[in-house]
Amino acid sequence: DAGVIQSPRHEVTEMGQEVTLRCKPISGHDYLFWYRQTMMRGLELLIYFNNNVPIDDSGMPEDRFSAKMPNASFSTLKIQPSEPRDSAVYFCASSLGWGYQPQHFGDGTRLSIL
Amino acid sequence: SQQGEEDPQALSIQEGENATMNCSYKTSINNLQWYRQNSGRGLVHLILIRSNEREKHSGRLRVTLDTSKKSSSLLITASRAADTASYFCATDGGSNYKLTFGKGTLLTVNP
Repeated sequence: DAGVIQSPRHEVTEMGQEVTLRCKPISGHDYLFWYRQTMMRGLELLIYFNNNVPIDDSGMPEDRFSAKMPNASFSTLKIQPSEPRDSAVYFCASSLGWGYQPQHFGDGTRLSIL
Repeated sequence: SQQGEEDPQALSIQEGENATMNCSYKTSINNLQWYRQNSGRGLVHLILIRSNEREKHSGRLRVTLDTSKKSSSLLITASRAADTASYFCATDGGSNYKLTFGKGTLLTVNP
């Protein structure tokens, strides 16, 4: 079975530009999570969806960040405008159910804002 | 804020030896999970232990949980070079199931 698929794997762009990260969860999974990983702060949950509906976006750092899930097989995380401090690895994960369920991670998007 | 904290931050051992990593957390939990992350890759789920369980095994992995001490340990027996990775514990918040990850233990297994 295909795992969680993220694109692009690497993104380098200049500050002020719009960045869009994409995620395809595992088919049938009803929860989708966006995380950010940095050396300083570790892995942080940004937002999660249940059945395409955003449930908790309390981890989204600023209004410059937005996430959507238009259907069960696609989600985007957008940063506009981007800043150098947004440089990090962004992971998407999905799970079947909530609570005592493992999360399945994609391989991440390494984002560098110059 | 970080719920779980792994100890040690880094561990270097020889192939064939056992590796033990510890995780401490602050608040009550429903379950604790361990994940592995190879360099440049996403996290891979290893094992989940519920708050009413004390020990769990999966292959060469053994996880213990002591809720009175708010701590867990991950033991990898007969380590292999392929076990080289970062290992993270993740805890939920008790009142909700959002996972909070520690900063991980970097395990290096030398051939």
